[in-house]
Amino acid sequence: DTGVSQDPRHKITKRGQNVTFRCDPISEHNRLYWYRQTLGQGPEFLTYFQNEAQLEKSRLLSDRFSAERPKGSFSTLEIQRTEQGDSAMYLCASSSSTGFNEKLFFGSGTQLSVL
Amino acid sequence: AQSVTQLGSHVSVSEGALVLLRCNYSSSVPPYLFWYVQYPNQGLQLLLKYTSAATLVKGINGFEAEFKKSETSFHLTKPSAHMSDAAEYFCAVSDGQAGTALIFGKGTTLSVSS
Repeated sequence: DTGVSQDPRHKITKRGQNVTFRCDPISEHNRLYWYRQTLGQGPEFLTYFQNEAQLEKSRLLSDRFSAERPKGSFSTLEIQRTEQGDSAMYLCASSSSTGFNEKLFFGSGTQLSVL
Repeated sequence: AQSVTQLGSHVSVSEGALVLLRCNYSSSVPPYLFWYVQYPNQGLQLLLKYTSAATLVKGINGFEAEFKKSETSFHLTKPSAHMSDAAEYFCAVSDGQAGTALIFGKGTTLSVSS
């Protein structure tokens, strides 16, 4: 169990470019979450997968954002035509338990800076 | 809709002093409440959670929190602060349904001086 891994740790891009982040959850965790955290704020929910199915999306997830988890293991989050407002820490979390016993394990995040 | 409010974005204490981090929640259903800690360059770690089993919840690293329905509060305390407790702390709420996203507060940065 190596924990939730996110890649890259940091990404600097120019406005208008596309970026993709990867999250590798703890093996055998069937639930995977993406959150966004901006300076001075707590994490905000973006989307959630159970296995390969994307079950919930926040209204924060605009059409420029897309997330996939093709084989129910790792997940990618793509942002198209990045804007300066997309600058944030993108956090991934995974869990295996359900309901009130659910415990999320968070990765260290990908820090995105859009210039 | 559920929400949490953390009172005080920054709390400073001396080593050995009481730590008190405040969290008030709003929920239309019985809430599940959580405290997470985030150390620099690390992911969020669960400190403790309340799921209606007991109002006083003990967590890791000597932290505990008490659920007070009448005050809609879930404040985090530790009797004696240690330098290693310096971090950012987040209160979060959910309705306890499987897969429901946690709603986080804005966080409180705890500083501990010697």
